[in-house]
Formats: sequence, structure tokens, C-alpha cells
Amino acid sequence: GQQLNQSPQSMFIQEGEDVSMNCTSSSIFNTWLWYKQDPGEGPVLLIALYKAGELTSNGRLTAQFGTTRKDSFLNISASIPSDVGIYFCAGQGHNQGGKLIFGQGTELSVKP
Amino acid sequence: NAGVMQNPRHLVRRRGQEARLRCSPMKGHSHVYWYRQLPEEGLKFMVYLQKENIIDESGMPKERFSAEFPKEGPSILRIQQVVRGDSAAYFCASSPRGPGGSTEAFFGQGTRLTVV
Repeated sequence: GQQLNQSPQSMFIQEGEDVSMNCTSSSIFNTWLWYKQDPGEGPVLLIALYKAGELTSNGRLTAQFGTTRKDSFLNISASIPSDVGIYFCAGQGHNQGGKLIFGQGTELSVKP
Repeated sequence: NAGVMQNPRHLVRRRGQEARLRCSPMKGHSHVYWYRQLPEEGLKFMVYLQKENIIDESGMPKERFSAEFPKEGPSILRIQQVVRGDSAAYFCASSPRGPGGSTEAFFGQGTRLTVV
């Protein structure tokens, strides 16, 4: 089945630093989504990408849909303490209905 | 997302009991998905439903698990004769359209099932 590899698994950074995380897939996806999950909560959608090469921003967050359609990255600029949480990529393949395949998550810790 | 309502938030069951998890999708959404999340792992797809229809249940265990989304009322994920391995967070997501349209899925806060 389709698999997503998300890296890094965890990051410890200083407030104000930029962050980058990425996901790669064993097969092509039509849609890439990036979510953030806080402890005890459900994932919250951050950015949705629908076209190969698409670059989309949401405030300090920027995500890109890779041109091969097998990868995506998420950048966070000038991190702040409330960026702490687990970030998940999720992809949707062709003829897969609406179901999403999730990466394993990147746990972000920000030191003030 | 507060728009997708799941209840209960926490559920404790003894081995062998039944667990019923409820999900009310966002207003206007007719597509519901259930996912399971084990500690420190990503979410794993279980089942995709539209009103009164199961579209894809490829992620559902073959036994003890069932799901429905009736014409009226919330979607229900039912786990019969629970075992300790069923302990997990169960998330429901809804989207306004199915394949071919915008499929941004919005998640509820989850139900954390603990089997003792």
C-alpha cells in the first residue's frame, strides 16, 4: 500500500529560528495536506495543496507540492512557542476515494 | 476543528464490552471518515461513509468493528467485545465533497478509548 515517510521525527529549535520538514511518498498523490495536532486534540488543517509545483503560504507557514507529485515540504519561519506540536503531512492518491494517508509526524519543540 | 463534533471525548470500557463512538459532521458535509491513532503514531484510515452508504471500509478490522452514517443523526463507529489493543484515539473527519472535488477534511477532537 501507499506509504509516507515524514522527516525529521522530532526537532528542538530556538524561538525565532526557521523550521523545515518534508514528506516523501512511494507513489503519486493528487493532494497534499499539512495538519498540526496539539496534545489531546484533533488535527487542524494548516495548508492544502492540489497541483504539482504549487507553493502556498498561510502566515508564517509555506508548503509546496513537489513537481514529481511524490513529495511535499512545510516551512515555518520565525518560530514562536505556540508553534509547538506535532505536524503531520497527509496525501490523497488517485482513485483512493477521499481517504488520506498520513505521515508519522514531526514533533516540534520551541525553546523560548 | 470545533465544527466536527465527537462524543464522548473519553471512554473507558472493560474487556468484552461494546464501545460506541459518535460523530456529527460539519454542517453541509455529507462525507465522513474515521481514523485511528495509536500513541506517537500517525492517523490510520478506517472507513469512509456517505449518508446511508459505506464507500470504503478497507481500513476496518474484519471482525468486531462496524460503522454507519444514517440518514438522520450522527455517524457511529461501533466496536464490539473490546480488547486492550483497541485502546487508541479515534478521530472523525468530514468534507463537503467526495473525490473529484475539494476534499479538505476537517477533524473532530477525537474520542480516546481506554480498555481496562
